[in-house]
Amino acid sequence: EADIYQTPRYLVIGTGKKITLECSQTMGHDKMYWYQQDPGMELHLIHYSYGVNSTEKGDLSSESTVSRIRTEHFPLTLESARPSHTSQYLCASSPDIVNVLGASTDTQYFGPGTRLTVL
Amino acid sequence: KNQVEQSPQSLIILEGKNCTLQCNYTVSPFSNLRWYKQDTGRGPVSLTIMTFSENTKSNGRYTATLDADTKQSSLHITASQLSDSASYICVVSDRGSTLGRLYFGRGTQLTVWP
Repeated sequence: EADIYQTPRYLVIGTGKKITLECSQTMGHDKMYWYQQDPGMELHLIHYSYGVNSTEKGDLSSESTVSRIRTEHFPLTLESARPSHTSQYLCASSPDIVNVLGASTDTQYFGPGTRLTVL
Repeated sequence: KNQVEQSPQSLIILEGKNCTLQCNYTVSPFSNLRWYKQDTGRGPVSLTIMTFSENTKSNGRYTATLDADTKQSSLHITASQLSDSASYICVVSDRGSTLGRLYFGRGTQLTVWP
């Protein structure tokens, strides 16, 4: 069982509200990620971080923002929620392990996810 | 275009039976391939990881195979149990960067009936 937590697990909110999805891990991993997943679809990377004060946008354009002030925490914020933001948001972390070719071989550990519904 | 395709999209089997899930990919260059199990409403959990030189890897009743030449992988589940009901996701990593860019399949939804 991975030591990575997400809160809230479920959130129903009205359009225009500001929300923050929390993600924390106790494994001391440097790398953290946020994914968006719709039912029956693949995971899409929206943000990632190599470590404290490091954040990058992922492959899928997202109106959300992230911060990494502490190694353990990687919160995701939506300034003004819209119905199009309705989705499952998964947080993950991984140790910083690379092979001799310089490629990452680490496994990502996922949190339980936050199911967000914007009305 | 780097892609990961999984089949079948969904599968229903009876408890105790075996099944095989397929994954075809076009990711290049290739670093490794992982199979994840995702229970409904939960995050994915890693089952196996295979690098270029590995052909097969087992984890209990789960056995994954990899043919790097044909860019195909399979996940074989033996003596299925009700708890095997989940989505099984194939994830391929390239070796283009230290981030290990991941390409996710859409998963195969497996349902095991009693």
